Amino acid sequence: AQSVTQLDSQVPVFEEAPVELRCNYSSSVSVYLFWYVQYPNQGLQLLLKYLSGSTLVKGINGFEAEFNKSQTSFHLRKPSVHISDTAEYFCAVTPLSGGYNKLIFGAGTRLAV
Amino acid sequence: GAVVSQHPSWVICKSGTSVKIECRSLDFQATTMFWYRQFPKQSLMLMATSNEGSKATYEQGVEKDKFLINHASLTLSTLTVTSAHPEDSSFYICSAREVAGREQYFGPGTRLTVT
Repeated sequence: AQSVTQLDSQVPVFEEAPVELRCNYSSSVSVYLFWYVQYPNQGLQLLLKYLSGSTLVKGINGFEAEFNKSQTSFHLRKPSVHISDTAEYFCAVTPLSGGYNKLIFGAGTRLAV
Repeated sequence: GAVVSQHPSWVICKSGTSVKIECRSLDFQATTMFWYRQFPKQSLMLMATSNEGSKATYEQGVEKDKFLINHASLTLSTLTVTSAHPEDSSFYICSAREVAGREQYFGPGTRLTVT
C-alpha cells in the first residue's frame, strides 16, 4: 500500500519570496509522483510529474520538484511566488504496477501568498 | 489537449431526488475514468474507477447502489447520485486516463448541494 504525507497544511509566504512545499511518501513498490494545483471551486491541474530519468523535474508556472528516493520525498519549490500562486497543492503517487490506476493523494497544502 | 469537462458545474436538488453528473473527455479517448469526492478543505477521496464497457469498481465504503456509474463510451462517464440526502452534498471531481496513458486529467468539478 502507498501513503502520502504533506507535512504542512498551510504555508504563508510573502510575494516574491521562495517557497518549498514538502511531500513524503511510503510505498513498497516503485511509484510515479505528481504535484497538482487546485484553485477555489475548480478541478486539479497537473503542475509536474516524475516518471523516470532526471530527479529534478520542471513544471508549469515556474515550479520544480526534486525526487529523492533515499528520503522518499518529492518536495515542490518555486524561487519567487506571485499572488496568483495562492491555491491548494496536492502531492500524489501511483504505483508503477496495477495499470497506473490508483492515485493516492496527500492531504494538501494551502499556499497563501 | 487532454481536456475533461463536467456538467453541470453546480446543482442544487431536493432530498430524495436523483441527480446525474456527466464527465467527458473532449479531445482524447478515455479507457478509464475516475470519480472522486472532496469535502471542504480536504483531499480527494477516490469513489470508483470505471472502465469503458464494464462495471465500475468501487472503493471500500462507497455504496454502489447509491452512486451509480456508467461508462458507456470512450468519452463519457456518468455518476448518478440516487435518493440524495444532505450528507451527499460535496464537490465531485472526475478524471480520465487515455488509452495506455500514465496520468489522469481532471475535470473542473461539480458542486452538489442537497437541501
